[in-house]
Amino acid sequence: ETGVTQSPTHLIKTRGQQVTLRCSSQSGHNTVSWYQQALGQGPQFIFQYYREEENGRGNFPPRFSGLQFPNYSSELNVNALELDDSALYLCASSSQGDGELFFGEGSRLTVL
Amino acid sequence: AQSVTQLGSHVSVSEGALVLLRCNYSSSVPPYLFWYVQYPNQGLQLLLKYTSAATLVKGINGFEAEFKKSETSFHLTKPSAHMSDAAEYFCAVTSPGNDYKLSFGAGTTVTVRA
Repeated sequence: ETGVTQSPTHLIKTRGQQVTLRCSSQSGHNTVSWYQQALGQGPQFIFQYYREEENGRGNFPPRFSGLQFPNYSSELNVNALELDDSALYLCASSSQGDGELFFGEGSRLTVL
Repeated sequence: AQSVTQLGSHVSVSEGALVLLRCNYSSSVPPYLFWYVQYPNQGLQLLLKYTSAATLVKGINGFEAEFKKSETSFHLTKPSAHMSDAAEYFCAVTSPGNDYKLSFGAGTTVTVRA
């Protein structure tokens, strides 16, 4: 059984640029959630996708957007990067209603 | 809104000693509660979860937690710490109607002294 995989693992961008992070969900999981974990803090919920539709969003501006594909993989896009966007971005997959999230190892974004 | 508060950002224990990590939650509906562990440069791994069944929940690696509604608490314990328990631990809350969108605490870093 393949777990949740994320790419890239590390990347560096400059302010104002755009970034796309990718996530492959665990086999059999139809729901993907994205979290932002700033240094020294707990993860913060960004949004969740179920059957290719956004299914809930946290307190993040519209420049954070996402997609889910028919194979349940997902992308997180962030436009107009700001210094405070520097964080570990975690993807988690689950089966709807199952109650357990399986996390990937994250993509660490540094914005200079 | 749901939230959790983890008391103590750092806990230091001796190898073989009791590990106790505190978590208090706030929720207007019956909560589902989770403890996750994060090792350096890794994602989160589920230790255990409470989803309205037994109030004493046993998890992996010898950890357990007790749901106490009267105290709005879900403290994590392990009777005997091992060096491999050094990590960051997160408490999280959600509810059945919230499709498992988790609200996490700020985390507690555990160090284990030899």
